[in-house]
Amino acid sequence: DIQLTQSPSFLSASVGDRVTITCRASQGISNYLAWYQQKPGSAPKLLIYAASTVQRGVPSRFSGSGSGTEFTLTLNSLQPEDFATYYCQQVKSNPPTFGQGTRLEMK
Amino acid sequence: QVHLAESGGGLVQPGGSLRLSCVASGFTFGDYYMNWIRQAPGKGLEWISYINPGENIIYYAESVKGRFTISRDNAQNSLFLQMNTLRVDDTAVYYCAREKIWVGTTDNAYDLWGQGTLVTVSS
Repeated sequence: DIQLTQSPSFLSASVGDRVTITCRASQGISNYLAWYQQKPGSAPKLLIYAASTVQRGVPSRFSGSGSGTEFTLTLNSLQPEDFATYYCQQVKSNPPTFGQGTRLEMK
Repeated sequence: QVHLAESGGGLVQPGGSLRLSCVASGFTFGDYYMNWIRQAPGKGLEWISYINPGENIIYYAESVKGRFTISRDNAQNSLFLQMNTLRVDDTAVYYCAREKIWVGTTDNAYDLWGQGTLVTVSS
C-alpha cells in the first residue's frame, strides 16, 4: 500500500496568514492526489484534485502543487472558515489511501 | 440538488451484522463508481471499499475483506454495505462518496459525500 505522510500534523495560525501543508507519498503517484477539508461533525469536502486543480466552487486562496512523491496544499490569506482538518489522498493505486490529517487551528 | 444520504447505522454487539444504505439523488447514479470510507472517533479517514457501475469491479481494504460486502442497485439509486462479524474496531462514522472521473482525463477524486452514519460495535 502507498503510505501518505502529512506534515505538520498540527498547525496554529492566524486569520490572514499563509500556510502550507505537505503530503509525502511512499512511492511515486504522478499527480494522482486530492486534498479534502473536514470540519467537526461534517463530511470531508473536496478542495483539490489531480494535485493542482481547484474543485469548482472552492475559493481561489486554496492551491495545490507537486508531483511524484511530494505535494503541497497552500492556503493564502486564511479566513475564519478555513480552520479545519485537511487530508491528502492518493488515487494512483489500490487501495486508495489518506494521509493522517493536518489540524489547522486558530492561534 | 445532488445529494447522498446514508442510513442503517446503530449499536451492534461484537460478532453481529449491520447493513448500511446510501441513497443518491440529483444525478445519474449508475454513471459513477461509489465508495465507502469510514472514520473512527477522533481518527482519520480510512477507505474501505469501492464498486463500479456494472458491479464487476469491486475492491476492499484488507481490514474488512471477507467480512464486508459492497453492492448497489442502480435502478433504486442505492449503494449498500453489508457488514458481518463486526468488531469493536469497526466503530466509526461510515460515509458513502461518489468518485468523479473528469471527462477526457484520468483525474479522479471523491467529489460528493454523504453526511455519514455512525456504527458502534460494543457489548
